[in-house]
Amino acid sequence: AQSVAQPEDQVNVAEGNPLTVKCTYSVSGNPYLFWYVQYPNRGLQFLLKYITGDNLVKGSYGFEAEFNKSQTSFHLKKPSALVSDSALYFCAVRDFGLGSSASKIIFGSGTRLSIRP
Amino acid sequence: EAQVTQNPRYLITVTGKKLTVTCSQNMNHEYMSWYRQDPGLGLRQIYYSMNVEVTDKGDVPEGYKVSRKEKRNFPLILESPSPNQTSLYFCASSLGGGAGYEQYFGPGTRLTVT
Repeated sequence: AQSVAQPEDQVNVAEGNPLTVKCTYSVSGNPYLFWYVQYPNRGLQFLLKYITGDNLVKGSYGFEAEFNKSQTSFHLKKPSALVSDSALYFCAVRDFGLGSSASKIIFGSGTRLSIRP
Repeated sequence: EAQVTQNPRYLITVTGKKLTVTCSQNMNHEYMSWYRQDPGLGLRQIYYSMNVEVTDKGDVPEGYKVSRKEKRNFPLILESPSPNQTSLYFCASSLGGGAGYEQYFGPGTRLTVT
């Protein structure tokens, strides 16, 4: 069965420093991986996705993520954090369900990113 | 503006009183889905719909019903709400149900069942 793990409930980073939010996954077939961000009192917003091709994926707001097949990871990164990056981040994986042409979606438990000035 | 809307945004109700949370999207998306968000558990999929008249269970469908009579609307129905259904609910849509499509989320509905 597919699953997603975000091992850190919270990540604290000083503004201007690089940040990493970790995600590991388990799927039976090819992974389709996503990162979403949730600001307070808002719905989730799409940041970036990996479908195929280049292992380094670039997304919105200067974020990027690196797909590592051997480590089954898809960590979110940013070279220089901003206070405005403080939010809740979710990793998600999609895979086709058995006997269905529609894909289910599994989200991680979320990582709260806090950037201090 | 392309968006997913949900109503109501906040709802307090009592055990057993049927309720419906509406969801509508104006992007002509085929795929729609409902999630609940609980602390420490992330988002869990309740039901999803590939297109009109086609729905399927997610990971936590017990106690919920859905219908997809029109492409743009995907209401979530709680026939007999219970306190364990107190949660934050999100509706989402995507262009298709294929694995490569990202989702667009509504603003959320905070439901409290007493």
